[in-house]
Amino acid sequence: EPEVTQTPSHQVTQMGQEVILRCVPISNHLYFYWYRQILGQKVEFLVSFYNNEISEKSEIFDDQFSVERPDGSNFTLKIRSTKLEDSAMYFCASWARWNTDLSTEAFFGQGTRLTVV
Amino acid sequence: AQSVAQPEDQVNVAEGNPLTVKCTYSVSGNPYLFWYVQYPNRGLQFLLKYITGDNLVKGSYGFEAEFNKSQTSFHLKKPSALVSDSALYFCACRRTDKLIFGTGTRLQVFP
Repeated sequence: EPEVTQTPSHQVTQMGQEVILRCVPISNHLYFYWYRQILGQKVEFLVSFYNNEISEKSEIFDDQFSVERPDGSNFTLKIRSTKLEDSAMYFCASWARWNTDLSTEAFFGQGTRLTVV
Repeated sequence: AQSVAQPEDQVNVAEGNPLTVKCTYSVSGNPYLFWYVQYPNRGLQFLLKYITGDNLVKGSYGFEAEFNKSQTSFHLKKPSALVSDSALYFCACRRTDKLIFGTGTRLQVFP
């Protein structure tokens, strides 16, 4: 079964440092997402990405965050200057969405646990 | 704005007993509803979805969910719980391109 893969599984970084979280979505999927989960709690939407641009972002996704799909396969989330409150599990997801069909499910990666110290 | 609510932070059930994890939604128009499960230190795994048609949908691992339009609910059920079902369960809805998750319910099944 196709799957979304994320690297690294765990990242520890010092406050103020830049981090890049990487994801390889399912090939032939069209929509890509980043979600965040703090301490096993609510899964929060960060950003959606379609056709090589951001289609929607939440209020959490401020200027410190950016996403890109540099080579047509990887999908990355960059945090420019990490804060302690950025410590969370970050999930990447991809979604096929054929035409206007909203019924298909999104597939999630295993997550990257980011710890900011 | 679309939203889902999971009123219970935790549900405890004895192994072999039926379980229900509650979810209500607030979505204009026809909702697309999903259940995902998260096992410890793992990602989110898709369990089942409601799109249209039969109000009772069946999914993975013996789980099913009942869509009730009048009560705007989509409760997750299983006739006989297993200890291995212990996990965090998330209800989600999609109205546009975005999946919105509930706050999650921790299911604890005791032997």
